[in-house]
Amino acid sequence: DTGVSQDPRHKITKRGQNVTFRCDPISEHNRLYWYRQTLGQGPEFLTYFQNEAQLEKSRLLSDRFSAERPKGSFSTLEIQRTEQGDSAMYLCASSSQGGNYGYTFGSGTRLTVV
Amino acid sequence: KQEVTQIPAALSVPEGENLVLNCSFTDSAIYNLQWFRQDPGKGLTSLLLIQSSQREQTSGRLNASLDKSSGRSTLYIAASQPGDSATYLCAVFDSGAGSYQLTFGKGTKLSVIP
Repeated sequence: DTGVSQDPRHKITKRGQNVTFRCDPISEHNRLYWYRQTLGQGPEFLTYFQNEAQLEKSRLLSDRFSAERPKGSFSTLEIQRTEQGDSAMYLCASSSQGGNYGYTFGSGTRLTVV
Repeated sequence: KQEVTQIPAALSVPEGENLVLNCSFTDSAIYNLQWFRQDPGKGLTSLLLIQSSQREQTSGRLNASLDKSSGRSTLYIAASQPGDSATYLCAVFDSGAGSYQLTFGKGTKLSVIP
């Protein structure tokens, strides 16, 4: 078990371009979460998957954002038509059923929109 | 809506000093509380997880306490070292039906001066 992996670590994109991030959770964890963190703030919840089902979405997840978790394994977060306000750290986390062991976070993907 | 506040926002101490970081939350109906460490530009590292039925957890030089009724948690760091310099984040997992998100504070930025 190598923990939660995120790819890429850094992404610089031009405004209006689409970007996609990947998250590989801990293999035995069936719950997967995406959070966004801007400078000087705590992470904010975006969305949650239990296995392949997306069960909860934040109002922060505008229609330009879409997340998937095919077959309940890895997850992708896509941002279409990026805006400068999308610049942030995107964090993925996973947990086991019941959450008794807390969350394990990945190293994050730093997105810069220029 | 759950709100988490961390005080102070920043703290600078000389090496070897014991210190306390504070976290308060508005809704006491939590499932658990987790303390994280975040180094600049990095993801979150879990430090301690306290279940709602527990009063404290200890790991090495770290001790976290939880007073659910008053909506407070403290993180005690003994004999601080320069390597402890980081941002410390407190997060609560609500037991409200249908919600599986962590709510974070903005963090306390700790600097330990050699």
